[in-house]
Amino acid sequence: NAGVTQTPKFQVLKTGQSMTLQCAQDMNHNSMYWYRQDPGMGLRLIYYSASEGTTDKGEVPNGYNVSRLNKREFSLRLESAAPSQTSVYFCASSRDRAGLTSPLHFGNGTRLTVT
Amino acid sequence: RKEVEQDPGPFNVPEGATVAFNCTYSNSASQSFFWYRQDCRKEPKLLMSVYSSGNEDGRFTAQLNRASQYISLLIRDSKLSDSATYLCVVNMEYGNKLVFGAGTILRVKS
Repeated sequence: NAGVTQTPKFQVLKTGQSMTLQCAQDMNHNSMYWYRQDPGMGLRLIYYSASEGTTDKGEVPNGYNVSRLNKREFSLRLESAAPSQTSVYFCASSRDRAGLTSPLHFGNGTRLTVT
Repeated sequence: RKEVEQDPGPFNVPEGATVAFNCTYSNSASQSFFWYRQDCRKEPKLLMSVYSSGNEDGRFTAQLNRASQYISLLIRDSKLSDSATYLCVVNMEYGNKLVFGAGTILRVKS
């Protein structure tokens, strides 16, 4: 049982380049999330998808777009990378709305550096 | 004021010690509370939920104090394997708004 799978694990981009982070879960969860984690700060929600076909902005959505391709997959796109987007990105999923009856299950993370 | 605040530590304790962390939250209407554990360069994983009446899971005890708006995590008989960062997580409103604290680093030494 793989759980939540993220790719790639590491990425280095130059300012202005674009890339897509991929995430897939095999737990039949309804909700999926993208977080970023920076030193000295808690995980911050970028975007989430409460169910297939819906997406909503989180706390720090600027510079990002998402696609909930189907129930399993939720991708995060950086259209024009900036050094401020250097971070560790985590995808997560939950059976229902996180923080109520179901915990978050996280992927292994993507370490992104923008130079 | 941050929505969720934790003492970053690090807390350096010997094996077998008892250690406690507190976490304060700003929104008195918060509904749900959790402790997650994050090992170095790994993903966070749920350690335990925090219930109003307090709850215990083996060596771990979590408590909620709504009047003072804080939650606590007590670890008894610390093991080397308990070394990690402990994240306080609060559901600020009904739905998907989980707020993470920056974490408290625990180092258990032999």
